[in-house]
Amino acid sequence: DAKTTQPNSMESNEEEPVHLPCNHSTISGTDYIHWYRQLPSQGPEYVIHGLTSNVNNRMASLAIAEDRKSSTLILHRATLRDAAVYYCILRDLHMNYGGSQGNLIFGKGTKLSVKP
Amino acid sequence: DSGVTQTPKHLITATGQRVTLRCSPRSGDLSVYWYQQSLDQGLQFLIQYYNGEERAKGNILERFSAQQFPDLHSELNLSSLELGDSALYFCASTRSERDYEQYFGPGTRLTVT
Repeated sequence: DAKTTQPNSMESNEEEPVHLPCNHSTISGTDYIHWYRQLPSQGPEYVIHGLTSNVNNRMASLAIAEDRKSSTLILHRATLRDAAVYYCILRDLHMNYGGSQGNLIFGKGTKLSVKP
Repeated sequence: DSGVTQTPKHLITATGQRVTLRCSPRSGDLSVYWYQQSLDQGLQFLIQYYNGEERAKGNILERFSAQQFPDLHSELNLSSLELGDSALYFCASTRSERDYEQYFGPGTRLTVT
């Protein structure tokens, strides 16, 4: 899987939008961009994923650059509960016979702090 | 609650010992993934099973082994434990191998003294 680069940490104020950047300059055409987050003392949790187009779900939005070399996870109104480590992960879901590319390769992620 | 359960929540044992960690996937999920999270290495993929068969291996030590049983629960066996094996061990499950979203359990915290 291709490598991603994220800032080590970011701070946000409660109720304000947060933009979490991710660079993936070596992304391949079949790599999906996934975001997971890990709240303190919990297992990772899926946030959102996309391939080329921007995506929205109840948790967040994912903005993908036209050249796909970077993406941004957008939390529209940060809450204290959004304080977590956010991981940007590339996954190629094309599988060869007898194999699987389903495992996630986590980097160090971005630790998001939310101030009241 | 992801629907994935892991037992035990905490485990404290001595070096050289052997332990077994258990994971029950979400109902209907066929694939189980094991991950290790330590302070120095971060979250690392260990091994994946799909419907009882090993499908992919990551950075899993030879002292570690896993299996998935006919009822789809999985066990991770860690033997000849070393201090460096102290970590959080997570399992995750998906219905198929092509699923975008992995559901993670709450983890087992292993402390080796």
